[in-house]
Amino acid sequence: DTEVTQTPKHLVMGMTNKKSLKCEQHMGHRAMYWYKQKAKKPPELMFVYSYEKLSINESVPSRFSPECPNSSLLNLHLHALQPEDSALYLCASSQDGQGTQNYGYTFGSGTRLTVV
Amino acid sequence: ILNVEQSPQSLHVQEGDSTNFTCSFPSSNFYALHWYRWETAKSPEALFVMTLNGDEKKKGRISATLNTKEGYSYLYIKGSQPEDSATYLCAFEGYSSASKIIFGSGTRLSIRP
Repeated sequence: DTEVTQTPKHLVMGMTNKKSLKCEQHMGHRAMYWYKQKAKKPPELMFVYSYEKLSINESVPSRFSPECPNSSLLNLHLHALQPEDSALYLCASSQDGQGTQNYGYTFGSGTRLTVV
Repeated sequence: ILNVEQSPQSLHVQEGDSTNFTCSFPSSNFYALHWYRWETAKSPEALFVMTLNGDEKKKGRISATLNTKEGYSYLYIKGSQPEDSATYLCAFEGYSSASKIIFGSGTRLSIRP
């Protein structure tokens, strides 16, 4: 299995809702990432988990809460989002979090989130 | 603030023509430079990860070069095909920020049949 699977593919939520985005990989990668991408802008790093521990939080508002239950799963819990949080949320993984050398990141196809 | 710039923003090329585009990045603290191809509604796919100054990598009709001293990389596509239509992203990875790659805004390539 050489894929990163993200669910759901699309999500519409109200500003008072609580929802979760899920990401799964079975490649034995020990680093996993959440990126946010707005239209015509580059993906922006939100969080990095390395060996199931949060190693980077790019000053993301607390309404986004990451969770890494095990080495294959990464969740992003969403609560009280704003319309400006509407974006494509990408998950990625890499062999480890010490620099990706010759391997690069493996990305999922993303969750398109709309906050109404 | 680390700046990764790609040019042009978009490019329209006739099928069969060759093309190239540029990624510029900080020349200090360099660790690796990544290239990804991102087709609409699909996942970004890693093309190359380059670490050595002067390195050239090739994958079929696509190749890339790297100049870490002056901070630029070129991506070349030879004999463009419709399936090459995609956004091509480069990303800079620095030593002091390993596992934190900074993306450029991408070059959107369209191939005209």
